[in-house]
Amino acid sequence: GENVEQHPSTLSVQEGDSAVIKCTYSDSASNYFPWYKQELGKRPQLIIDIRSNVGEKKDQRIAVTLNKTAKHFSLHITETQPEDSAVYFCAANPLFSGGYNKLIFGAGTRLAVHP
Amino acid sequence: KAGVTQTPRYLIKTRGQQVTLSCSPISGHRSVSWYQQTPGQGLQFLFEYFSETQRNKGNFPGRFSGRQFSNSRSEMNVSTLELGDSALYLCASSSGQGTGETQYFGPGTRLLVL
Repeated sequence: GENVEQHPSTLSVQEGDSAVIKCTYSDSASNYFPWYKQELGKRPQLIIDIRSNVGEKKDQRIAVTLNKTAKHFSLHITETQPEDSAVYFCAANPLFSGGYNKLIFGAGTRLAVHP
Repeated sequence: KAGVTQTPRYLIKTRGQQVTLSCSPISGHRSVSWYQQTPGQGLQFLFEYFSETQRNKGNFPGRFSGRQFSNSRSEMNVSTLELGDSALYLCASSSGQGTGETQYFGPGTRLLVL
């Protein structure tokens, strides 16, 4: 069935380093891949998203890459700052199992940025 | 524009009771999706409503139901509550004009079942 796997589950970096989070999805027809950041006790906030007709998208220190052949997409955060510490979720929109705005989420990555 | 709002923010219920949660989408948004978030299962899709019709459903038992009103506000109901229903229930809204749209989450309702 539909599935999104996310790795690693925890990531610890020093301030200024880069962080990379990877996700794979099972539904080859998925066409939309958002990334959300969730701070403790707060709602998930969209930080960047990418659609299947684009291979890479960048927004300041954040970038996302998509490899449709491998059914794999990644989040890259450069020059990390302590305020980047949060749980990050990847998601995919599985068209084979309903489509519209249904999102299947990865299990999350807890990122800790140490000063 | 005001963001997505959810009421109530916190609820404590006992097993066997039922509960109704409310979600008001961003003005102009016509699609509302509901998700359950737990430490063990993560974020799981419950259902999506558009134009007062459920157009997508996740793998949850029939005790979980929802509806949408003509003003796009949505409610979800959980009947015969079980301990495992304790979770953060999030709703998200989007314009509803297509598929794979940007979704904006509300603050959630934290439900505790005793």
